[in-house]
Amino acid sequence: EADIYQTPRYLVIGTGKKITLECSQTMGHDKMYWYQQDPGMELHLIHYSYGVNSTEKGDLSSESTVSRIRTEHFPLTLESARPSHTSQYLCASSVGTSIVPDTQYFGPGTRLTVL
Amino acid sequence: DQQVKQNSPSLSVQEGRISILNCDYTNSMFDYFLWYKKYPAEGPTFLISISSIKDKNEDGRFTVFLNKSAKHLSLHIVPSQPGDSAVYFCAASALGRWGAQKLVFGQGTRLTINP
Repeated sequence: EADIYQTPRYLVIGTGKKITLECSQTMGHDKMYWYQQDPGMELHLIHYSYGVNSTEKGDLSSESTVSRIRTEHFPLTLESARPSHTSQYLCASSVGTSIVPDTQYFGPGTRLTVL
Repeated sequence: DQQVKQNSPSLSVQEGRISILNCDYTNSMFDYFLWYKKYPAEGPTFLISISSIKDKNEDGRFTVFLNKSAKHLSLHIVPSQPGDSAVYFCAASALGRWGAQKLVFGQGTRLTINP
């Protein structure tokens, strides 16, 4: 089981503020992912990373940005939060081989509310 | 276009009986399928997976069945326990470039186990 951490768990913030959601994993996984989930809906991939200095946008368009300077760290940033950004943000990681599929393990999530 | 569908938003089962959760997919390129369990305000927890080369995978009380011709998979939980009450997500992926695996999730089924 992967150890993957997200902070903060809950965040209530005003419109226009810049925020960074933190995600760290201690398993040395190469691949990391950010998903967004609204209540009662499926998870949507918004960003992923193959490894250090590689990031890609996911299937759901997002105004957020990500960086991957260290293997264990994959923060997500919103430059100017808006009420439409209110959602749960879930970070995941996987070992990531190129031969066989592997399992993604999730952090506890950050529940973001923008007023 | 929903590539992974869980048509039952909720399911109620008596404790000790079998719970059967269903999932359908449309993309024939999917080759790896996973089930996750999610409690409110927490991240999804990996339960069990199956590769497209198999039609059954068992782990304790959990069994996943895959019917590729029907593009259908199901999760069986037997016997069902009160602690199994949660939202269950089906997810599918296709091994792509550089081992990138973008999980596509269903909308989830809320399982309630009644004592």
